[in-house]
Amino acid sequence: DAKTTQPNSMESNEEEPVHLPCNHSTISGTDYIHWYRQLPSQGPEYVIHGLTSNVNNRMASLAIAEDRKSSTLILHRATLRDAAVYYCILSYNTDKLIFGTGTRLQVFP
Amino acid sequence: DAGVTQSPTHLIKTRGQHVTLRCSPISGHKSVSWYQQVLGQGPQFIFQYYEKEERGRGNFPDRFSARQFPNYSSELNVNALLLGDSALYLCASSLQYERREMNTEAFFGQGTRLTVV
Repeated sequence: DAKTTQPNSMESNEEEPVHLPCNHSTISGTDYIHWYRQLPSQGPEYVIHGLTSNVNNRMASLAIAEDRKSSTLILHRATLRDAAVYYCILSYNTDKLIFGTGTRLQVFP
Repeated sequence: DAGVTQSPTHLIKTRGQHVTLRCSPISGHKSVSWYQQVLGQGPQFIFQYYEKEERGRGNFPDRFSARQFPNYSSELNVNALLLGDSALYLCASSLQYERREMNTEAFFGQGTRLTVV
């Protein structure tokens, strides 16, 4: 299974944009890039996913490098409720997600 | 619609005992996956079931087994419990379309916190 590399932790202030990076230099052509987040004491929650093109939804944006070896999850205006562990996952499908250790995002008021 | 429900929410067992964890997927979801999350780590894939058949298995010993029922609910069984089996056990369900690009997300339950003493 392809591996991803994320920073262990990041900090942001409320109302500011947050850019969470993910490196995946060994990504294969069939891998989708998935982002999930896990709030304290909860199961993971889907954020966004993409294959080649940048993606937007109500929660976030996903910017994918042209060579697909890296991607960035963008939270446009961080809130205190966005404090969580964010996981970048490469997967052919949604049924077998290989999680790494993720990035712990702290948001300060 | 109810989300993915897991029972029990918390459980304490003694080493050597057996445990059964239960998961009810979102209505209409035929695929169920199980994950183990040890404190401080990301979830690790254990099993995937689709239409009552095992479709995937992670790197876990044979003490771990699972099954899926005709109503698509699922059980995870762990025999001969070890202290290291203490973890949050997560169940996820998803729709499965033939066109892969239509498979968007997995929905996770809140998990069962298992403590082995």
